[in-house]
Amino acid sequence: DVVMTQSPLSLPVTLGQPASISCRSSQGLVHSDGNTYLSWFQQRPGQSPRRLIYKVSNRDSGVPDRFSGSGSDTDFTLKISRVEAEDVGVYYCMQGTNWWTFGQGTKVEIK
Amino acid sequence: EVQLVESGGGLVQPGGSLRLSCAASGLTFSNYWMHWVRQVPGKGLEWVSRIKYDGIVTMYADSVKGRFTISRDNAKNTLYLQMNSLRVEDTAVYYCARDDYAYWGQGTLVTVSS
Repeated sequence: DVVMTQSPLSLPVTLGQPASISCRSSQGLVHSDGNTYLSWFQQRPGQSPRRLIYKVSNRDSGVPDRFSGSGSDTDFTLKISRVEAEDVGVYYCMQGTNWWTFGQGTKVEIK
Repeated sequence: EVQLVESGGGLVQPGGSLRLSCAASGLTFSNYWMHWVRQVPGKGLEWVSRIKYDGIVTMYADSVKGRFTISRDNAKNTLYLQMNSLRVEDTAVYYCARDDYAYWGQGTLVTVSS
């Protein structure tokens, strides 16, 4: 099984400041079709998960451009350039290259 | 607008059964593989099962294999999860999601308790 490890698990941030979440996989995520199926999700309190980023760095429609994804092989990062109050929630990475597994989640809160 | 609406959750005793449904609209349901994902309240996400668009291929997490059955009725635009031999550790919110995870339902809570 592919294990996804996120860090940190808790991330207090100041409004307007940047934030970064790391996600590491136990094995490389390049699929045989050449794609890397690494996605990021946001889950606000009381809501379903919402996909923000797919295939490492592609932002979903309607997702603010302050969110960006990067990385390759086993190391991936989600960055928020300037945190806003509506960004509070738990963020998950997920790999879909070898079945599907999620990271433990990173809770983003405002200091 | 794509909508996925789960139903069928509730309280069930250990060893019991429950069938979840996920009604899809706003998409050509028969074109998509579909997934079930669960989340223990306050905890992380766990992939449960996946089914091919024609229903012929199914996949399961080891934690539910042999107890859960995923199926679909493309004429009714509905995805199902039959859950048998339920355990306390199956207590979770169950979500259905389209194969690309771009769309999720609102979830339905399954509580397994005596």
